[in-house]
Amino acid sequence: DQQVKQNSPSLSVQEGRISILNCDYTNSMFDYFLWYKKYPAEGPTFLISISSIKDKNEDGRFTVFLNKSAKHLSLHIVPSQPGDSAVYFCAASDVRGANSKLTFGKGITLSVRP
Amino acid sequence: DTGVSQDPRHKITKRGQNVTFRCDPISEHNRLYWYRQTLGQGPEFLTYFQNEAQLEKSRLLSDRFSAERPKGSFSTLEIQRTEQGDSAMYLCASSPSGSQSGGQFFGPGTRLTVL
Repeated sequence: DQQVKQNSPSLSVQEGRISILNCDYTNSMFDYFLWYKKYPAEGPTFLISISSIKDKNEDGRFTVFLNKSAKHLSLHIVPSQPGDSAVYFCAASDVRGANSKLTFGKGITLSVRP
Repeated sequence: DTGVSQDPRHKITKRGQNVTFRCDPISEHNRLYWYRQTLGQGPEFLTYFQNEAQLEKSRLLSDRFSAERPKGSFSTLEIQRTEQGDSAMYLCASSPSGSQSGGQFFGPGTRLTVL
C-alpha cells in the first residue's frame, strides 16, 4: 500500500530548463510534505518542505507546490543545473510535522544534461 | 560535529548471525530515527526516539529487531538471526523535537548484506 507515489521513475532535462518532479499521496491525514535529494553513497538531504496550510513554498531555485484537494505536490527546479542530478524523494508526515514518522515515495532519478 | 554518523558503513554477514549498528546523531538533536531502504524503494520508517524514550515502532520492526538509545545520545539497532530479506541500507536520522519546518538529517547509512 503505497501512500506516497512518485509514478515517474526518471526525468531528463536540459541544463538551464525547468525540472518538474511530481508526487501524489493517498492518506488524507498527511499534513506536512518534504522533498529530499540523494546522491549515491550518501544519505538523503533535506531540500524544502511545505505545510498543508500553504500552497507554495520557495527557496532559491526550488519551489514546492501543494494541491491539497488533488492530493498532489510538485517540486520545480529553475534553472536546472548538472549538480542537481540525483534521486529525489517526496515524503509526508501527519500533523506531528517533520519531526516524526516520515512516509517516503520510491524516488525519481533526475538527470540534467549539460 | 558535522553531521549524523553511522558505523559500520558496510556489513556482510551469514544468515542466522546477529548484527548491531550504531548511530551518532547531531549532538543537539534529541530525536533519532531509523529507516530501512531496499533497492528501488524509498526509506521505510522503523522507529524513532525522543531522548531515550522510544516513541513509535513500525510493524516492519519484527521481534528480531531491537533499537535502543540508552543515554539519549547514540543509538544501536540490533538484528538477531538475520535473514536474506534483511539485506538493505539502514539509515539513521536526527532532528530537534521543537521545529516543525525543518527536515530530518540523515547519516550515510549502513549497508547490510546477508549471505
